[in-house]
Amino acid sequence: NAGVTQTPKFQVLKTGQSMTLQCAQDMNHEYMSWYRQDPGMGLRLIHYSVGAGITDQGEVPNGYNVSRSTTEDFPLRLLSAAPSQTSVYFCASSQLSDQPQHFGDGTRLSIL
Amino acid sequence: GDSVTQMEGPVTLSEEAFLTINCTYTATGYPSLFWYVQYPGEGLQLLLKATKADDKGSNKGFEATYRKETTSFHLEKGSVQVSDSAVYFCALSDRGGSYIPTFGRGTSLIVHP
Repeated sequence: NAGVTQTPKFQVLKTGQSMTLQCAQDMNHEYMSWYRQDPGMGLRLIHYSVGAGITDQGEVPNGYNVSRSTTEDFPLRLLSAAPSQTSVYFCASSQLSDQPQHFGDGTRLSIL
Repeated sequence: GDSVTQMEGPVTLSEEAFLTINCTYTATGYPSLFWYVQYPGEGLQLLLKATKADDKGSNKGFEATYRKETTSFHLEKGSVQVSDSAVYFCALSDRGGSYIPTFGRGTSLIVHP
């Protein structure tokens, strides 16, 4: 049982590059979300989805894009990477948003 | 809106010491409360939960009681081990509010042998 799988685990980008962080879950969860974790800031919600075809913005959505074409996958796109987006990114899922969240192991992203 | 406030860390203890990490919350509806643990280099894992007032969640020697009168959900453990060194997050999901989980900023625990 894989749970929530995030790829890649590490990535280095140059300013202005674009990339997609992948997130997949095999638990048939309806609710999925993306967070960034920065020192002293805790977890900040970027985007979330309550089901396939439905997405919404979280606390810090600027510079990021998401889509949810299937229940299993919820990719996060960085449109034009900036040094301020250097962070650790976590994907999470749950059957409903008020249930315990299942987290992936994170993607550590550095932008030069 | 909903919010979670945790005590700032790091909390530094010797092995076998008693642990308390304070957590208080504000919510507009009927929140479920959670504690998550994050070990170095990993994602968050659910440690325990409570879904209604006076419920006690427990796991791996950790406990927390849902106190509606004080809007608190403090994490306790009677005897910590070096392997408990991690970051602990208090969180809520408000079934009468936005439903989107709200996390505290995390409290780092360091346990020395």
